[in-house]
Amino acid sequence: QQQVKQSPQSLIVQKGGISIINCAYENTAFDYFPWYQQFPGKGPALLIAIRPDVSEKKEGRFTISFNKSAKQFSLHIMDSQPGDSATYFCAASEHGGATNKLIFGTGTLLAVQP
Amino acid sequence: EAEVAQSPRYKITEKSQAVAFWCDPISGHATLYWYRQILGQGPELLVQFQDESVVDDSQLPKDRFSAERLKGVDSTLKIQPAELGDSAMYLCASSWGHSVGTEAFFGQGTRLTVV
Repeated sequence: QQQVKQSPQSLIVQKGGISIINCAYENTAFDYFPWYQQFPGKGPALLIAIRPDVSEKKEGRFTISFNKSAKQFSLHIMDSQPGDSATYFCAASEHGGATNKLIFGTGTLLAVQP
Repeated sequence: EAEVAQSPRYKITEKSQAVAFWCDPISGHATLYWYRQILGQGPELLVQFQDESVVDDSQLPKDRFSAERLKGVDSTLKIQPAELGDSAMYLCASSWGHSVGTEAFFGQGTRLTVV
């Protein structure tokens, strides 16, 4: 019930292409869905996040699409650049009481080829 | 730019020894988290503090792991005794609070290798 399933495990995209990473969840109480970017040797950094009351959020080249009925959400990276090469994690959290732990997906290793 | 500070960056320890990690959150952040990230997986929450109080330690192996945040500022995570399976990245994160949409900022982590 607490799992967030992420795919694909790895992704190779040509420079200028679109990178798409998908996630699915089961817990309908989740109310916050962030995406984190992690470079080797660094901690995860928040990239973009969405709440379930909207179906899409765009920030620059990064877009989250959210399908509440299907319990799925995805990250789209437009005009992918070599500097986007990193591991991307989707996550979800439920805010109730004093806790709000993030449940992370297993990650997607993105390589953008020049 | 304010950062979550963690030390050490790397730690190699022998099985059955004790090891400790330190975290200094961003100033003013009341909520502090310790996550464990096994290579190739996403981070998993070990413990969450609100000020000096533990609000979630359901995934903390309490027979060997302990965490404290005595003055509600910096925090220490201890493992005693360390086991081979504890090899992982230990990440500390902090946030202003725990309401919806509050961003959690992560430190660079401590890479633990148990030999």
